[in-house]
Amino acid sequence: NAGVTQTPKFRVLKTGQSMTLLCAQDMNHEYMYWYRQDPGMGLRLIHYSVGEGTTAKGEVPDGYNVSRLKKQNFLLGLESAAPSQTSVYFCASNYRGGRSSYNEQFFGPGTRLTVL
Amino acid sequence: AQSVTQPDIHITVSEGASLELRCNYSYGATPYLFWYVQSPGQGLQLLLKYFSGDTLVQGIKGFEAEFKRSQSSFNLRKPSVHWSDAAEYFCAVGATSSNTGKLIFGQGTTLQVKP
Repeated sequence: NAGVTQTPKFRVLKTGQSMTLLCAQDMNHEYMYWYRQDPGMGLRLIHYSVGEGTTAKGEVPDGYNVSRLKKQNFLLGLESAAPSQTSVYFCASNYRGGRSSYNEQFFGPGTRLTVL
Repeated sequence: AQSVTQPDIHITVSEGASLELRCNYSYGATPYLFWYVQSPGQGLQLLLKYFSGDTLVQGIKGFEAEFKRSQSSFNLRKPSVHWSDAAEYFCAVGATSSNTGKLIFGQGTTLQVKP
């Protein structure tokens, strides 16, 4: 099992450009999440999905869009990149099991994005 | 709303010394609590979690954490630190009333280990 993979690992954009970050998981997990990590701020939730075809806003959704057309993939889009979106982006997935949705979140290795 | 505070941004300990990383949370009921570790350039790995029951939780790599309801704390401890423990540590809380699995993370504590 590859677990959670993210593409690309690094990217440099100019202000106004668009891009899509891909997250893929091969664990058949129902839940998937996109976070951004900035120094001194921990991880903040951008968007999440509790199943194929469903998405919802997290703590910091502005400037981002997501799609979950297939259960194993969760895409994060930046339509018009801004310098404030320079960050490290992490994807995570989680399975629904037992009485709780709170099982271990498995994280990808991250994508380092710089917007000039 | 839930929140998590890690009061120590940076901690330095000597190899072989004991370690305690602090975590305080704000939530109306007993939350689900987690500690994750992030090595440089890597994703996050779960160290341990508390859902209910015994308030002292054992995790991987020799770590343990104690849930104290009266203090709204979930501090992480290790009796003897190894150089390989140098990393960033995140405390996280999940709402027991939620069915989304969402977590709120603290700001993180960077651990430096002196030889």
